[in-house]
Formats: sequence, structure tokens, C-alpha cells
Amino acid sequence: EAEVAQSPRYKITEKSQAVAFWCDPISGHATLYWYRQILGQGPELLVQFQDESVVDDSQLPKDRFSAERLKGVDSTLKIQPAELGDSAMYLCATRTGGSTSYNEQFFGPGTRLTVL
Amino acid sequence: GESVGLHLPTLSVQEGDNSIINCAYSNSASDYFIWYKQESGKGPQFIIDIRSNMDKRQGQRVTVLLNKTVKHLSLQIAATQPGDSAVYFCAENTGTASKLTFGTGTRLQVTL
Repeated sequence: EAEVAQSPRYKITEKSQAVAFWCDPISGHATLYWYRQILGQGPELLVQFQDESVVDDSQLPKDRFSAERLKGVDSTLKIQPAELGDSAMYLCATRTGGSTSYNEQFFGPGTRLTVL
Repeated sequence: GESVGLHLPTLSVQEGDNSIINCAYSNSASDYFIWYKQESGKGPQFIIDIRSNMDKRQGQRVTVLLNKTVKHLSLQIAATQPGDSAVYFCAENTGTASKLTFGTGTRLQVTL
């Protein structure tokens, strides 16, 4: 069964350092999402891609976060510099279809970030 | 702003009993709803979905009920098993960009 892949699974960094997370979607999934999930809460959308284009990045803290999906396949989320409050699980999700189709998002296992 | 919330943060159920997890949503324009299950250290896993033109949908051991009048969603799990222990999230889709808004989750604990 095809899955969304994410790496690394765990990342520990010191504040002010740069970190990067990688996501490989299920083949053929045009829509890709990055979420941040704080322990005990639901995922919150950071950025949404349709192929290589950003559809929604209204919740992305653009002063320190950046995301790209250059070839419309895999994607990278970067934080520079990391702050203590960035400690969370970063989840990637992908789905087929365009923005008006009704189908579920498939989530990867996430990257657990700890900022010291 | 618009939000999705859950009434019970923790639900304890005996193995074999039925579980009901509730969710209230506030955006009457939401047209698609999904229930996800998340086990510790893993990403959310799709359970079942329902569109706003339906009021009930059944899957294997799970049923989702949608009451648009009171903006309420529930997930029923029949014959709850230890493997059902997890955090359950409801999520709603609003608008044309297929953007999901998640609630804070309910932890389901299955006791033997």
C-alpha cells in the first residue's frame, strides 16, 4: 500500500539553528499539505500546494518558515532560525484530485521536532 | 473564527461495548467532514468521511452521523477493541480549496 514518506522522523536542534523536513507524497497525488501539530491538539495547516504552486500559505510564519515543491512531487519545509515554540510534530499529507473534489488526505508519520 | 471542537477530551469504554465520539462544528458552510484516528507517534489515519448532503454513512464497525441542524457530528464504533485506543479527530472542509480544519481530539481508552 502506497504511503506518504517523511524524513527525518525525529529532529533535535538548538534554537537559532536551521532545520529542514522532507516529504515524498503518494505517487500521483497533486495536492500536498504541511501541518504543525502541538501535543494534545489537532493538526494546523501551514501550507498547501497544488502541484508546484502554493494554494494557501496564510498560516505560514514567513519570517522563519519556507516551503517548496519545485517539481510538483516531493516537498521541503524549512525553519530558520528555529525557536523554542517550534517544538511540535510536523505532518505532511497528500491527496488526489483538485480543490473541488471530496476525498481524504493521507498523512505521513510526521517529523517530531524538539528545539532546545 | 470558525472552529471544530469536541465535547469530551477522554472517553473510557470497556472492550466489546460501543463507543460514541462527538464533535461540534461552527461553520454552517462546511460541506465535507472526516474522522481521523491517530495512534501515539503516528500520523492521522483516515477512518470515514461524509458529505453535507448525507446524514449517515457506515463503514466497517464505524458509523458517522451528521446533524446539520445543530452542527453536530458523531463517530460510532461498534464492539470496541483494544486496537481502537487512540486519539480521534473530526475535521471539516470549508470552501473550494479542500482545506481541513481539525478539532482538538478525543482520547479513546479501551479497558479490558
